[in-house]
Amino acid sequence: GAGVSQSPSNKVTEKGKDVELRCDPISGHTALYWYRQRLGQGLEFLIYFQGNSAPDKSGLPSDRFSAERTGESVSTLTIQRTQQEDSAVYLCASSLAGAGGPWETQYFGPGTRLLVL
Amino acid sequence: QKEVEQNSGPLSVPEGAIASLNCTYSDRVSQSFFWYRQYSGKSPELIMSIYSNGDKEDGRFTAQLNKASQYVSLLIRDSQPSDSATYLCAVMTSGTYKYIFGTGTRLKVLA
Repeated sequence: GAGVSQSPSNKVTEKGKDVELRCDPISGHTALYWYRQRLGQGLEFLIYFQGNSAPDKSGLPSDRFSAERTGESVSTLTIQRTQQEDSAVYLCASSLAGAGGPWETQYFGPGTRLLVL
Repeated sequence: QKEVEQNSGPLSVPEGAIASLNCTYSDRVSQSFFWYRQYSGKSPELIMSIYSNGDKEDGRFTAQLNKASQYVSLLIRDSQPSDSATYLCAVMTSGTYKYIFGTGTRLKVLA
């Protein structure tokens, strides 16, 4: 089926505004991850969802960041009162089980490029 | 010490040569290891995964894992200019769900 999709592909916003980023995982994938990648940097883990378990929010950088997931489908990452340092590419990935083993390979979406002016 | 370390590069190799990319990790109980390729402005895509000590080959790519030395590498044979990208090493500990990514090695294959 289709891969991971994300929207919007690009988002320009003004400092202080709220933004909402969307991720549609691969159908049947129970695990979903959000990462942030600043220009020229590696991937920074933000949050992880696995089925109906409580999400692991340990990577969220501040309380301005939150994320939700509807069952095992769509997820939204919300950034409130955006700051210039939030400018980055936000990547979503999904995997079949997220519990270890050969089926844990993460597949990435194309990302949302966020620019905060 | 960073959990997953990679030389940032750039690593420059001539076309047709073997490119060797290295990654070390600090957590001895790490179980799963992945190499992703990321072209500039694109998202990471999986190249290889490896779970057991030794070599795993897939086409021009060979992943090598040495758990005793906490070392994983990726060899690219017959390097092509199209292999020019950043290669990310990722490590996952069994029973967890977090990937720890290295910062990546930028590879340049010179035509």
